[in-house]
Amino acid sequence: EDQVTQSPEALRLQEGESSSLNCSYTVSGLRGLFWYRQDPGKGPEFLFTLYSAGEEKEKERLKATLTKKESFLHITAPKPEDSATYLCAVRNTGFQKLVFGTGTRLLVSP
Amino acid sequence: SAVISQKPSRDICQRGTSLTIQCQVDSQVTMMFWYRQQPGQSLTLIATANQGSEATYESGFVIDKFPISRPNLTFSTLTVSNMSPEDSSIYLCSVTSEYTDTQYFGPGTRLTVL
Repeated sequence: EDQVTQSPEALRLQEGESSSLNCSYTVSGLRGLFWYRQDPGKGPEFLFTLYSAGEEKEKERLKATLTKKESFLHITAPKPEDSATYLCAVRNTGFQKLVFGTGTRLLVSP
Repeated sequence: SAVISQKPSRDICQRGTSLTIQCQVDSQVTMMFWYRQQPGQSLTLIATANQGSEATYESGFVIDKFPISRPNLTFSTLTVSNMSPEDSSIYLCSVTSEYTDTQYFGPGTRLTVL
């Protein structure tokens, strides 16, 4: 069974304090690993798709990387507006559905 | 990217009643999904809405409780039937197209059952 584990559950940073979020996964065949951002009361907002080990994607202060067992979302010099829950999900080569982790709640203080 | 709208955005309902949630997409999509997100939890897939045929339900979800329709490539409804307080959740519509692996989400419907 495909599984996704995210850590930490919650992370509190000062503005400008860089850090990383972890997403560990087990899947029989990886079709894609997805990162989303979710603000309270809203639907998840797509950030990145990663397909193979070694791949990296960047967007503003965020950079996602992928190995065969885990993915990291690196946040460089975060700002308070980066505060949100970050969700990781995987899609198996044989199925269409996404399997989600429980997310990391990030709070960036000014 | 697909633009997805959901109606209603929120509702407060009485126990034993039913609520139908609508999902409209601005372009034709291949797959439409319905998710539930209970307070403080991650997303759980309820079912895949198939055009012109019955939805495919995940383990733990049944058609009598969550009937789904998908009359065309841009519209779907999810009904939450005979509601109880345990059905209080955010319900999310999600789509993919044949051109991309990316799955996009609607804004969600926040349901509170008293």
